[in-house]
Amino acid sequence: SQKIEQNSEALNIQEGKTATLTCNYTNYSPAYLQWYRQDPGRGPVFLLLIRENEKEKRKERLKVTFDTTLKQSLFHITASQPADSATYLCALGDYKLSFGAGTTVTVRA
Amino acid sequence: KAGVTQTPRYLIKTRGQQVTLSCSPISGHRSVSWYQQTPGQGLQFLFEYFSETQRNKGNFPGRFSGRQFSNSRSEMNVSTLELGDSALYLCASSDSTGGGTGELFFGEGSRLTVL
Repeated sequence: SQKIEQNSEALNIQEGKTATLTCNYTNYSPAYLQWYRQDPGRGPVFLLLIRENEKEKRKERLKVTFDTTLKQSLFHITASQPADSATYLCALGDYKLSFGAGTTVTVRA
Repeated sequence: KAGVTQTPRYLIKTRGQQVTLSCSPISGHRSVSWYQQTPGQGLQFLFEYFSETQRNKGNFPGRFSGRQFSNSRSEMNVSTLELGDSALYLCASSDSTGGGTGELFFGEGSRLTVL
């Protein structure tokens, strides 16, 4: 069956450091992969989409890589700030996006 | 542009009742998806509508149903509520017209509590 796994439920880091989140998937052949941010009690907010023919994509302090051979995406938050504290979700699919369970990032000042 | 609007934001029902949730997508978006989010199961896909047609459906019982109107607004209904239906129900719209490659824009959700 199809499965999306995000590396850990929680990640605590010091302000200014880089947070690295992992998304692994099985039994998918996605044309693209998306990352979302969700704050408590709010709906997810789209951050980045990376296509299968793109190895890396950047947006401000965010960087996403996509390795279709390893079936893995890495999501990096560089120079992290307390405002980056949230749950980050990876998602795959087309008509129906399937989401990972998410990784909750807490950035300590 | 106004975002995705969901109503009501909070509601409390008792077992056996039914509930209808409403979603107004971003203007111009023709695709509307519904998700259920619970602490134990995470975000689970319910169904997706495009131009009033259900294009895809998740693995939920028939008590969960939805529809989309000609103005792209959507409703979902849950009948014969069970305690396990307590969740945050999220609606998302997309401007995808083809294979669903567009990003999803989520509303703030409707928090349903079943007593």
